[in-house]
Amino acid sequence: KAGVTQTPRYLIKTRGQQVTLSCSPISGHRSVSWYQQTPGQGLQFLFEYFSETQRNKGNFPGRFSGRQFSNSRSEMNVSTLELGDSALYLCASSLGRPTSSYEQYFGPGTRLTVT
Amino acid sequence: KNEVEQSPQNLTAQEGEFITINCSYSVGISALHWLQQHPGGGIVSLFMLSSGKKKHGRLIATINIQEKHSSLHITASHPRDSAVYICAVRGGAQKLVFGQGTRLTINP
Repeated sequence: KAGVTQTPRYLIKTRGQQVTLSCSPISGHRSVSWYQQTPGQGLQFLFEYFSETQRNKGNFPGRFSGRQFSNSRSEMNVSTLELGDSALYLCASSLGRPTSSYEQYFGPGTRLTVT
Repeated sequence: KNEVEQSPQNLTAQEGEFITINCSYSVGISALHWLQQHPGGGIVSLFMLSSGKKKHGRLIATINIQEKHSSLHITASHPRDSAVYICAVRGGAQKLVFGQGTRLTINP
């Protein structure tokens, strides 16, 4: 089975722009979670989607949003980019909701640089 | 104080040594995860624990729920074990909260 894929892998944007990142889960997985990793804050939970519904959300401003499609693929969007949004954005998929103790499988991440 | 504290932050050892990384947390949890992250960013989930002990090859993870503490052990360490090891807990709000990670370097 193919693993979790994320596109693009690298991205450079300018302050004020918006960006959309994509995550394709492992075939058959219905849950996708997103995480942000920065040198200063480490890994932080962004949101979790299951069956096209956001089930949980981290402490991020409304500029961060996401969605999940009927094929379980997920996108996250960041509007009005700030320098502090520069980070590695990781998604992880699981068969069921991770809160039900399903194992999560991580993608390689998208490295976003905001200049 | 962070909800999840790892120690040490950095660890350098010689090949073959027994390695222990510790994780303490301050909230009630439903599960604790140990993750491995290699340079380049890819993360691999090593263990998911809610009680007791798990073993996979040279890796062993233990958790003591009463003491809110978990340890990750690596036996017969090898340079390919060099990575950042991250502890994460799923707390009451069912969100994953991560420790800051332990950077492990194994020298040949």
